[in-house]
Amino acid sequence: ETGVTQTPRHLVMGMTNKKSLKCEQHLGHNAMYWYKQSAKKPLELMFVYSLEERVENNSVPSRFSPECPNSSHLFLHLHTLQPEDSALYLCASSRGGGEWDTEAFFGQGTRLTVV
Amino acid sequence: AQKITQTQPGMFVQEKEAVTLDCTYDTSDQSYGLFWYKQPSSGEMIFLIYQGSYDEQNATEGRYSLNFQKARKSANLVISASQLGDSAMYFCAMAHSGYALNFGKGTSLLVTP
Repeated sequence: ETGVTQTPRHLVMGMTNKKSLKCEQHLGHNAMYWYKQSAKKPLELMFVYSLEERVENNSVPSRFSPECPNSSHLFLHLHTLQPEDSALYLCASSRGGGEWDTEAFFGQGTRLTVV
Repeated sequence: AQKITQTQPGMFVQEKEAVTLDCTYDTSDQSYGLFWYKQPSSGEMIFLIYQGSYDEQNATEGRYSLNFQKARKSANLVISASQLGDSAMYFCAMAHSGYALNFGKGTSLLVTP
């Protein structure tokens, strides 16, 4: 248990569905991240939030919409996804503050399948 | 752009033996951090060890040690006394100015009895 919890663990959705992934951390961290892990590819950074403000968006399609209502919660809203969006979506948190640090903890991920 | 290279897609090691997983990186930054994570089949990324670019001594955490050779830009992970539970994917990652980690493609380690 790393202190970062993701729900659901598995999700199957149709291309016309709307769903949301949830991430929660109670580590007192100020930065939260969404990563995408596709088969045989390195982890791809999608979004970074620091103190509830988005500070980085790596050219992610608009069908992925993040939301960070407070420093403990991060959502990824999904709509009209494509089959190639099927992947493991990992949430992470760190102390943040504008500098990398030695603590970056990940959740267990949500395995998403788009049918 | 920062780049992490892990050249070993898969490795085998016998139980109780030591194994080295390779990682090289490319950066023009003087200040950066290097990380190793373990990802079992469950999917969770488990932090193993960290090395700062200015740290003079190699990092160690229990059975994990990081062989940091700054001039060669390598940060190899050494696992001593391998256990069956060490079978997993292992990712090398680097952080530089900014927030997030850049990851390599990973190495799949299988520990055999």
